[in-house]
Amino acid sequence: AQSVTQLGSHVSVSEGALVLLRCNYSSSVPPYLFWYVQYPNQGLQLLLKYTSAATLVKGINGFEAEFKKSETSFHLTKPSAHMSDAAEYFCAVSPMIYNQGGKLIFGQGTELSVKP
Amino acid sequence: GAVVSQHPSRVICKSGTSVKIECRSLDFQATTMFWYRQFPKKSLMLMATSNEGSKATYEQGVEKDKFLINHASLTLSTLTVTSAHPEDSSFYICSARRDLRDHEQYFGPGTRLTVT
Repeated sequence: AQSVTQLGSHVSVSEGALVLLRCNYSSSVPPYLFWYVQYPNQGLQLLLKYTSAATLVKGINGFEAEFKKSETSFHLTKPSAHMSDAAEYFCAVSPMIYNQGGKLIFGQGTELSVKP
Repeated sequence: GAVVSQHPSRVICKSGTSVKIECRSLDFQATTMFWYRQFPKKSLMLMATSNEGSKATYEQGVEKDKFLINHASLTLSTLTVTSAHPEDSSFYICSARRDLRDHEQYFGPGTRLTVT
């Protein structure tokens, strides 16, 4: 069974500081991994995804994540936080088996606050 | 590309009535659509998976007679909350998947349901 753990339900950084949001996964088969962002009262927007190609994945808005199999991690980073980055971030996993229905298993979410 | 819409964005209904929420893929055909429920400050909980032309697959604990899902075409899925009660008040989000090889889901903007 797959599961996702996001360490820290709330992260606060200063504008211009490094953003690091942690995600660890558990999967019995190679997974696809995703990071989504959600602004208040909106749906989810894909930031980036890992699909077994390059382990360092670059996404939108300057975000990137590195897949580390040995650590079963897929942490999200951004070198310099912007006020507009304040939102809820979700890590999700899906097994690389197409007949599993493509279900996404979400982590609990991390709320990112950015201080001026 | 890959835009998903939901209608309505916000609905208030009286206890005991039914309400229908539509999910449409605007610029692609969706082989699979998913319905999620999100409580305040919480992650997304998968309610059901629907494939065009077949019955929806509900997650454990989700009442299929209460949450009726219809996926009549490759671009439209509907969720009907029957005999709604205040505890059904929530944020409902749909997503769509393009094909079986694509594990990425494209999310709608969500529907805020309030039952009075």
